[in-house]
Amino acid sequence: AQSVTQLDSQVPVFEEAPVELRCNYSSSVSVYLFWYVQYPNQGLQLLLKYLSGSTLVKGINGFEAEFNKSQTSFHLRKPSVHISDTAEYFCAVSENDYKLSFGAGTTVTVRA
Amino acid sequence: GAGVSQSPSNKVTEKGKDVELRCDPISGHTALYWYRQSLGQGLEFLIYFQGNSAPDKSGLPSDRFSAERTGGSVSTLTIQRTQQEDSAVYLCASSQMNTGELFFGEGSRLTVL
Repeated sequence: AQSVTQLDSQVPVFEEAPVELRCNYSSSVSVYLFWYVQYPNQGLQLLLKYLSGSTLVKGINGFEAEFNKSQTSFHLRKPSVHISDTAEYFCAVSENDYKLSFGAGTTVTVRA
Repeated sequence: GAGVSQSPSNKVTEKGKDVELRCDPISGHTALYWYRQSLGQGLEFLIYFQGNSAPDKSGLPSDRFSAERTGGSVSTLTIQRTQQEDSAVYLCASSQMNTGELFFGEGSRLTVL
């Protein structure tokens, strides 16, 4: 069975600074990888996904993530954050085509 | 509406009571999921429905939990004889086929006193 570890539970960052959220997974087979974002008082929404092909994936709001198979990682990055990026971010993995396993989440707080 | 709709948004109940949580998925989405979100513990898979196939119930934590999906659309998650550890936010999501892109509702926050 797959599992997901998000290495940072809280990430404070200043506005316009870069941010990286770390995600590692364990699986014995090929996987699909996702990042979801939950803004305050809103439902989760898909930020980006890796299914196959290029290991660098670009998502909404200037985020990108890189799939590294040898390190079983899928870290999320943004070169310059805004106050509006304050949210909780979830990494998720799927070994098949439907059941996603989510990490515990990383809370990003952007300060002016 | 265009999104996944869940009701009630908040439910406070007494230990031992039964509760029902409702999910109305996006029209045309064949897949429907229930997840549970507890503080600091991420999202826990509960159950998955896909069309007319038998649901994947592997995530239901005990036999007090059950779910049904009527007519391939609306789903109800029922928790019998609620316990304090059932307190959490219950999230419903739907997707079109199996794309991995789940569309989530805003959740039903359950508090068991």
